[in-house]
Amino acid sequence: NAGVTQTPKFRILKIGQSMTLQCTQDMNHNYMYWYRQDPGMGLKLIYYSVGAGITDKGEVPNGYNVSRSTTEDFPLRLELAAPSQTSVYFCAIPGGVGRTGELFFGEGSRLTVL
Amino acid sequence: KNEVEQSPQNLTAQEGEFITINCSYSVGISALHWLQQHPGGGIVSLFMLSSGKKKHGRLIATINIQEKHSSLHITASHPRDSAVYICAPFATNKLIFGTGTLLAVQP
Repeated sequence: NAGVTQTPKFRILKIGQSMTLQCTQDMNHNYMYWYRQDPGMGLKLIYYSVGAGITDKGEVPNGYNVSRSTTEDFPLRLELAAPSQTSVYFCAIPGGVGRTGELFFGEGSRLTVL
Repeated sequence: KNEVEQSPQNLTAQEGEFITINCSYSVGISALHWLQQHPGGGIVSLFMLSSGKKKHGRLIATINIQEKHSSLHITASHPRDSAVYICAPFATNKLIFGTGTLLAVQP
C-alpha cells in the first residue's frame, strides 16, 4: 500500500507483555488512524491524530496508548497485553487532498496474545 | 442500532451477474468510502463519494446524502471480485465502518 508502512506483520505476545506497533507514512498527511479488526466485525477506531502533537481517543482506546511526535510516525503501544487484544491492527491515512480523500491502509499487523 | 448498516451481509453470485451492495447510515457525513478487503487481509480504497455517482471500470458507486444511503454496483461480476466490501462514512474527523458484505462470485 502506497505511502503507509506498518510493522510488524505478525507478533505473538504473552499476557502482560508490552509492544509497539509502528506506522510510518511518506505522504505528509496530518490525519492518521489506528483500527482493530476482530473476526466477523467491522473495523473499530482505537486512536486517531489530526496532526503532530495532537491525538484523540476512538471507540476502543482502553489498553492502548499513542503518540504523534512527527507527521510521519504514529506508533500504537500496548502496555499490558491481554487476550482481548488479539486482533488484526490497521494503520490508515487519507491520501487525497484534504481529510476526505482516498484512504491508504497499512498491510495490517496480526497480534495474538496468549 | 448500528450507525452503519450494510446489506446483504453475505452474497453469492454467478459469474457475469450484476451485483448491488447497499449501505445505510444514521449520522451526518461529509463523505463516504467504499473499501475492498481480500482474503489475505489487505484493504484497498475503491471510492470516496460526497455526492452523486462515480464509476471505475466495472464498479459504480452512488450516494444520496439526503436519504443517508449509498450503493456499490459491480457489473459483469468475476470470481476475482470475491472479497469483503466495506462501507465507511466519514463523520466528524472519523470513519465509521460497516461490518462488510462478503461476496463470493462463482465461475
